[in-house]
Amino acid sequence: ETGVTQSPTHLIKTRGQQVTLRCSSQSGHNTVSWYQQALGQGPQFIFQYYREEENGRGNFPPRFSGLQFPNYSSELNVNALELDDSALYLCASSHGTDYGYTFGSGTRLTVV
Amino acid sequence: AQSVTQLDSQVPVFEEAPVELRCNYSSSVSVYLFWYVQYPNQGLQLLLKYLSGSTLVKGINGFEAEFNKSQTSFHLRKPSVHISDTAEYFCAVSRGGADGLTFGKGTHLIIQP
Repeated sequence: ETGVTQSPTHLIKTRGQQVTLRCSSQSGHNTVSWYQQALGQGPQFIFQYYREEENGRGNFPPRFSGLQFPNYSSELNVNALELDDSALYLCASSHGTDYGYTFGSGTRLTVV
Repeated sequence: AQSVTQLDSQVPVFEEAPVELRCNYSSSVSVYLFWYVQYPNQGLQLLLKYLSGSTLVKGINGFEAEFNKSQTSFHLRKPSVHISDTAEYFCAVSRGGADGLTFGKGTHLIIQP
């Protein structure tokens, strides 16, 4: 079985720009969630999608948005980038509520 | 809201010695508990999880953890560590459903030869 894959692995953007990060869920998983991990910190929950609908959100502003597609792949979009958005962004997929979250290796975003 | 406290930011231990990584949580409702490991430049790998049942949970790579409801703790243990266990370890909780995981700040396990 394939794991969770994220692209790109690294990205550099300028403050004020917009960015899209992509995630391909593990086969058979219908739930995807996104996390932001700042340097030296634990990951923070951004939001979760189940069957293409956002069904949970952490303490992040609306400029963080997402999509989940019928094949359960997912995107994280961040508008109006700020320097503090520099972090490792992790995608995790699971099947329903079995809590067997499988994480990808992440996208390292640097905002300059 | 729930929170997780990992009491040690770094834990140095000699190879083949036992180790315990401490985790305490606070929540007004029942939660599920997890331990993840993160190797350099990689994502998170699930070591073990407590959902219900026996309070002693066994995971991968010889790790185990014990859920103590009265002390709101979920400490991770391994009887004998190996150099390959050097990594960052994260404790996490969730109320389930669409709640997402709430992580601690992590403990860096340093194995000394």
